[in-house]
Amino acid sequence: GDSVTQMEGPVTLSEEAFLTINCTYTATGYPSLFWYVQYPGEGLQLLLKATKADDKGSNKGFEATYRKETTSFHLEKGSVQVSDSAVYFCALTLDTGRRALTFGSGTRLQVQP
Amino acid sequence: DAGVIQSPRHEVTEMGQEVTLRCKPISGHDYLFWYRQTMMRGLELLIYFNNNVPIDDSGMPEDRFSAKMPNASFSTLKIQPSEPRDSAVYFCASSPREGSTEAFFGQGTRLTVV
Repeated sequence: GDSVTQMEGPVTLSEEAFLTINCTYTATGYPSLFWYVQYPGEGLQLLLKATKADDKGSNKGFEATYRKETTSFHLEKGSVQVSDSAVYFCALTLDTGRRALTFGSGTRLQVQP
Repeated sequence: DAGVIQSPRHEVTEMGQEVTLRCKPISGHDYLFWYRQTMMRGLELLIYFNNNVPIDDSGMPEDRFSAKMPNASFSTLKIQPSEPRDSAVYFCASSPREGSTEAFFGQGTRLTVV
């Protein structure tokens, strides 16, 4: 079945450090890929997305590139801020068939001043 | 649009009681999803609807859980009887029929069963 694997957390960084959160997927078709962010006590918000191979999603300084050859969608940011502290979820859907998001386990990011 | 609206935001109930969680999806969205989030199991899909019809309920834990969508603007998730292990945050999300398959989430209902 379809699945998403992301790196274990927590990830603890100092402000202005470079961030990478790894995400790989297994899918029976051609998925769309997403990163969602969850701030404490809140729901999930879409951070960025990519719908086909080699697409780069970007938002708020975060980027991720859809790599079909490595089935990956790693999240990166060049300089993190304390306000980026949250839980990040990698997810996929299939455009045909099952429409529900399949989520990874989430990675908690803690950014220290 | 106000986004996906869930109520209540917090619910504390005693074991054995019936609990009903409510969701209003974004107007015009054809898909509605119920997820449960716990520390141990992460985000789990419970059930999802397309045009008010349940499509996949394989994630519903057991017969104590039921979900309905009587119309395009309202859905409920009911637990009867509730148990302490049902304590979790329950999220509702909706998605449009056309275009991107991303889902838009509500703020969640934090359920505590004591």
